[in-house]
Amino acid sequence: SQQGEEDPQALSIQEGENATMNCSYKTSINNLQWYRQNSGRGLVHLILIRSNEREKHSGRLRVTLDTSKKSSSLLITASRAADTASYFCATDSIQGAQKLVFGQGTRLTINP
Amino acid sequence: EPEVTQTPSHQVTQMGQEVILRCVPISNHLYFYWYRQILGQKVEFLVSFYNNEISEKSEIFDDQFSVERPDGSNFTLKIRSTKLEDSAMYFCASTEWWGQGAGYTFGSGTRLTVV
Repeated sequence: SQQGEEDPQALSIQEGENATMNCSYKTSINNLQWYRQNSGRGLVHLILIRSNEREKHSGRLRVTLDTSKKSSSLLITASRAADTASYFCATDSIQGAQKLVFGQGTRLTINP
Repeated sequence: EPEVTQTPSHQVTQMGQEVILRCVPISNHLYFYWYRQILGQKVEFLVSFYNNEISEKSEIFDDQFSVERPDGSNFTLKIRSTKLEDSAMYFCASTEWWGQGAGYTFGSGTRLTVV
C-alpha cells in the first residue's frame, strides 16, 4: 500500500543551520505536499509539488521531487526557533482514491 | 485567505455517547474529507465525500461513523457510540477539485477526549 515515510524521525539542529527532511512513497502520485504541525495543533499546509515538477521554492522552503526514486525532500534554510514543529509529507495516489496518505513525520527541534 | 472552520475545538464525552463534529469547508470547494490523528501518531484518512455521497472510506470508518452535509455549508462527522480509542484529533479538509495540483485546506481540528 502507498505510504509516505519521512526520515529522519527526529532532527535537532542549531538556529541558523539548514534542515533537510526526506520522504519516500510507493505508488504513482498526483501531488506531494508538506505540512507542519506544532505540538497538539492543526496542520499547516506548506507547499505542494505536482508529479510533473522537480523543484519548488517558497520563502525559506525548498522542495524537490524525484518520481523515479519516489522520494521528496524538504529543505528549510536559515532555521529559526519558530520552525520547531513536526513536518509531514502527504501523497495522493494517481489511481483514483480521493485521499492523502501521511507519513509518520519528522520532529524538528531548532536550538537557539 | 479562506479557511476551513471546525467546531468545537475540544470536546469531552462519556464512553458510549454520540458526538457530532462540525466543519464548514471553503465555500467553492466540492470535495470534503475527515482525517484523524491519535496522539503521537500519524494522520489517518477516514472518509472523502463528493456530490453528497461518500467516495472513499478507510477501514477505520466503520458503522459507528457517518458523515452528512445537512445544508449548503456544513459537513459533519457523527460518531454514534464513542469508545476510549476514538480519542484523537479530528481534522476536516476540503479541496476545490481532486487530482494534480489540488491543494487541501485543513481545519484546525477538534480534539475529542472520550472518558
